[in-house]
Amino acid sequence: GAGVSQSPSNKVTEKGKDVELRCDPISGHTALYWYRQSLGQGLEFLIYFQGNSAPDKSGLPSDRFSAERTGGSVSTLTIQRTQQEDSAVYLCASSRGTKNTEAFFGQGTRLTVV
Amino acid sequence: GENVEQHPSTLSVQEGDSAVIKCTYSDSASNYFPWYKQELGKGPQLIIDIRSNVGEKKDQRIAVTLNKTAKHFSLHITETQPEDSAVYFCAARGRDDKIIFGKGTRLHILP
Repeated sequence: GAGVSQSPSNKVTEKGKDVELRCDPISGHTALYWYRQSLGQGLEFLIYFQGNSAPDKSGLPSDRFSAERTGGSVSTLTIQRTQQEDSAVYLCASSRGTKNTEAFFGQGTRLTVV
Repeated sequence: GENVEQHPSTLSVQEGDSAVIKCTYSDSASNYFPWYKQELGKGPQLIIDIRSNVGEKKDQRIAVTLNKTAKHFSLHITETQPEDSAVYFCAARGRDDKIIFGKGTRLHILP
């Protein structure tokens, strides 16, 4: 596609439910990043995929958070047993993966846990 | 891992004046420093980036400087306009390839 696509754009869920957030990176981009942005805050790194290498999960805040990337393309971020503090905008970005190349962001998924 | 500090958190400048945002980073192996602009309700968009083999880069009203010895880099916007109002993020790509962001600067352009 023309850019990074994220779905859904908005998600309201009840506390305790599981949610899945999807990211479609730009075709051919081997690097994919997930970030979390709480209201009025910065971009908190969550996880990084690069090609077939093991992902860097060092930013995931708890074991309720997981992500996978199938076939080196689409990625899904899953949050289990959601809590109110999980409410934020979740942003995905992709890049060509070679050193020092631009990362392109999607519009984000706004998650609200009620 | 990499840590990026950004200042100020909020900046108000008169239209037509210049704005400067400063960032420091911790990983001496970092070699790529992008700047992003985020408008309300949108994802961040790259406005300029600099690699460690240069000290300055300009693109019309926007310039970025890099001091690798001191591990700091800055964004300069000249002749500011109302459409420059947004949140700006600096970032650094460290030896582990992660892109780590500063906490952002909310820039207000005053009429």
